Amino acid sequence: LAKTTQPISMDSYEGQEVNITCSHNNIATNDYITWYQQFPSQGPRFIIQGYKTKVTNEVASLFIPADRKSSTLSLPRVSLSDTAVYYCLVGDSGAGSYQLTFGKGTKLSVIP
Amino acid sequence: DAGVTQSPTHLIKTRGQHVTLRCSPISGHKSVSWYQQVLGQGPQFIFQYYEKEERGRGNFPDRFSARQFPNYSSELNVNALLLGDSALYLCASSLEWGELFFGEGSRLTVL
Repeated sequence: LAKTTQPISMDSYEGQEVNITCSHNNIATNDYITWYQQFPSQGPRFIIQGYKTKVTNEVASLFIPADRKSSTLSLPRVSLSDTAVYYCLVGDSGAGSYQLTFGKGTKLSVIP
Repeated sequence: DAGVTQSPTHLIKTRGQHVTLRCSPISGHKSVSWYQQVLGQGPQFIFQYYEKEERGRGNFPDRFSARQFPNYSSELNVNALLLGDSALYLCASSLEWGELFFGEGSRLTVL
């Protein structure tokens, strides 16, 4: 099974850039890395997905090194509404079936 | 456009009972997966179905079962409920792989 490790929590002031790193060993060759955001009592919401190098969309960037054993979610200029739990998601076919593994999540608190 | 819908949104059961949770995916999505989220923890993978066949199974006991219907909706069944089964059960749909679209979940309380 793939294991993922994220910081438990992070604090940031409004307007700052936030980088959250996820470590993931045993990622399968064809697997993508995906980040999700979750607010209390809601289902997770897709942020960004990548395979290698760098991906950018309108809300975030994702950096993945060549060995793909980690990934870093970058949130530019965070606001109070970015306060949420952030999860990285990788697939694991090492057990003979496709298992989708969430990290334990990073609770981001944005401070005014 | 309708998103992923789950029912019921909340329910209370007692130990030993059975529960069925339902999920309707986004139109056109053929893959449905189920997750259990205990308070304060990340979602834990239970099952994934694609085109009515089981594609993946997480580390959950046989009390947990699921199926996908021809219209791609899905049911998650849990037998012989334990107190530890109390959680938010999330359903997600996707085209096949890739981005998951989650519902708001079914919150199960086992007394």
